[in-house]
Amino acid sequence: NAGVTQTPKFRVLKTGQSMTLLCAQDMNHEYMYWYRQDPGMGLRLIHYSVGEGTTAKGEVPDGYNVSRLKKQNFLLGLESAAPSQTSVYFCASSEGGRMQFFGPGTRLTVL
Amino acid sequence: GENVEQHPSTLSVQEGDSAVIKCTYSDSASNYFPWYKQELGKRPQLIIDIRSNVGEKKDQRIAVTLNKTAKHFSLHITETQPEDSAVYFCAARGTSGGYNKLIFGAGTRLAVHP
Repeated sequence: NAGVTQTPKFRVLKTGQSMTLLCAQDMNHEYMYWYRQDPGMGLRLIHYSVGEGTTAKGEVPDGYNVSRLKKQNFLLGLESAAPSQTSVYFCASSEGGRMQFFGPGTRLTVL
Repeated sequence: GENVEQHPSTLSVQEGDSAVIKCTYSDSASNYFPWYKQELGKRPQLIIDIRSNVGEKKDQRIAVTLNKTAKHFSLHITETQPEDSAVYFCAARGTSGGYNKLIFGAGTRLAVHP
């Protein structure tokens, strides 16, 4: 059981570039989440999904898009990266919206 | 809106002492309260959780208490050890849009000195 995995682990982008972060889970969880973590601000929810084909906005959704075409995968897209999106991104999954299991994180720097 | 406040933001204790971290939540309908530990450069990991129908829960040196009336809950770590040094996050299950998400506090950086 790999649990929750994320690719890539690190990425450096230039302002205006686009990229997609991939999250995969092998626990058959219905719920998946994308967070960003910035110093002193804890974990802020970007978007989440309560099942295959569904997505919903979280606390800080602007500048990001997501898709959940398969139950085990949740993709986070940045269409035009900005320096304000420099952060560590964590994916998580859960069954029933309670206990969340986190991936190892992706460290993104936008120059 | 839904909010979770966490105090203190930093906490320094001597090895063997106790540490207490407190959180307050705004949504009186919240019914689930987990605590996560995040070591430097690692992912957050669940260490203990409590549901709203329980007032206290213990797991070895860690305990969580919940006061629904006051809308606050606390993490207690006894006999602290250097390996307890980490950032701790509290969270409350948000109810807006369904019971689908957790609202996190800003975190407490705990340092345990030998």
